[in-house]
Amino acid sequence: NAGVTQTPKFRILKIGQSMTLQCTQDMNHNYMYWYRQDPGMGLKLIYYSVGAGITDKGEVPNGYNVSRSTTEDFPLRLELAAPSQTSVYFCASSLAKNIQYFGAGTRLSVL
Amino acid sequence: ELKVEQNPLFLSMQEGKNYTIYCNYSTTSDRLYWYRQDPGKSLESLFVLLSNGAVKQEGRLMASLDTKARLSTLHITAAVHDLSATYFCAVDIGGATNKLIFGTGTLLAVQP
Repeated sequence: NAGVTQTPKFRILKIGQSMTLQCTQDMNHNYMYWYRQDPGMGLKLIYYSVGAGITDKGEVPNGYNVSRSTTEDFPLRLELAAPSQTSVYFCASSLAKNIQYFGAGTRLSVL
Repeated sequence: ELKVEQNPLFLSMQEGKNYTIYCNYSTTSDRLYWYRQDPGKSLESLFVLLSNGAVKQEGRLMASLDTKARLSTLHITAAVHDLSATYFCAVDIGGATNKLIFGTGTLLAVQP
């Protein structure tokens, strides 16, 4: 069982570059989420989606964009990367209001 | 705005001892989760608590929920080294979206 798969696992970006973090799940979950975790802190919700074609902002959406064209995929786009976006990014999915299952994370450094 | 506070933030304990981690939240909620995170790893679900007075147990861990006090506890019984990890509580803000607000986490270090 693959569960929630995130790519890449690590990435270093220069200030001003853009990139897309990929997330795919094979559990047929309708809800998906993107979080960021700064060192020594809890997770903060960036964006979430309750189904294909439906997305909404979380606590910290500035500097990010998402799309949800299929049930399986929920990519997170960083435009004009800034040092403040250095963090570990987690994607998660759930079957409606239920336990969220997390991917392994993407460690991003912006230098 | 929902705020979630955990204490302590860091807990060093000896094997065999008991201790409790506390999770306080600021507004009403209909469910609360506990997650475990090993260093450099992802989050693993431990418990989901759905109602006032709910108690769940798995091995040496027991979680409870008091919705009137807006408090959840994670009790560790006879700690062993394998329980060393960071533990997070996460509170559902309500509605149909399943949006969670996470506490800052409690880093548990169990010493032999």
